[in-house]
Amino acid sequence: EDKVVQSPLSLVVHEGDTVTLNCSYEVTNFRSLLWYKQEKKAPTFLFMLTSSGIEKKSGRLSSILDKKELFSILNITATQTGDSAVYLCAAYVTSGTYKYIFGTGTRLKVLA
Amino acid sequence: SQTIHQWPATLVQPVGSPLSLECTVEGTSNPNLYWYRQAAGRGLQLLFYSVGIGQISSEVPQNLSASRPQDRQFILSSKKLLLSDSGFYLCAWSVGVSLGRPQHFGDGTRLSIL
Repeated sequence: EDKVVQSPLSLVVHEGDTVTLNCSYEVTNFRSLLWYKQEKKAPTFLFMLTSSGIEKKSGRLSSILDKKELFSILNITATQTGDSAVYLCAAYVTSGTYKYIFGTGTRLKVLA
Repeated sequence: SQTIHQWPATLVQPVGSPLSLECTVEGTSNPNLYWYRQAAGRGLQLLFYSVGIGQISSEVPQNLSASRPQDRQFILSSKKLLLSDSGFYLCAWSVGVSLGRPQHFGDGTRLSIL
């Protein structure tokens, strides 16, 4: 059965800290790994990763994929209170279907 | 630009009542459409997805159903709601099927069953 696991489930840090969120996957016909940020309602897209070892970066956020060890990490440096959210990762698979398998998310709270 | 509309934003329904949630996409053609449910503190559970009009794939056996009567319209229905149907329902769209493209989500419907 396809599975995506995120850790930790929740995290509380102070402003300025650096955090690393983990996402491991066991799926068939893996094509890409996506990260989303969910604050109140709709998840918003952060990164899509298809190749191992190539870091994607956007401001203080960065992410990398390891297709050999089947995991991805999302790093946030110099955290701010506005980074408080649930971070979701999803594996896109195409085994006769076209679907995204989501992890349970990591709830990040950044304290001022 | 593409937009996705999902309504209603909140809904309170008694057990045993019917349900109809609607999602429409503007600004793109032949999108892949998805319905997810998110329980409190949990990730997104895929309920249905559709790659074209009338083509619906179900992921989880349940008392919900989905229909796609038009290219950019996706409807989630139930004839009789259960308490366990409570949750946050999200509609999403994407295009392309090879590598996967980022999904774009509606603002969701918070459904409470009494």
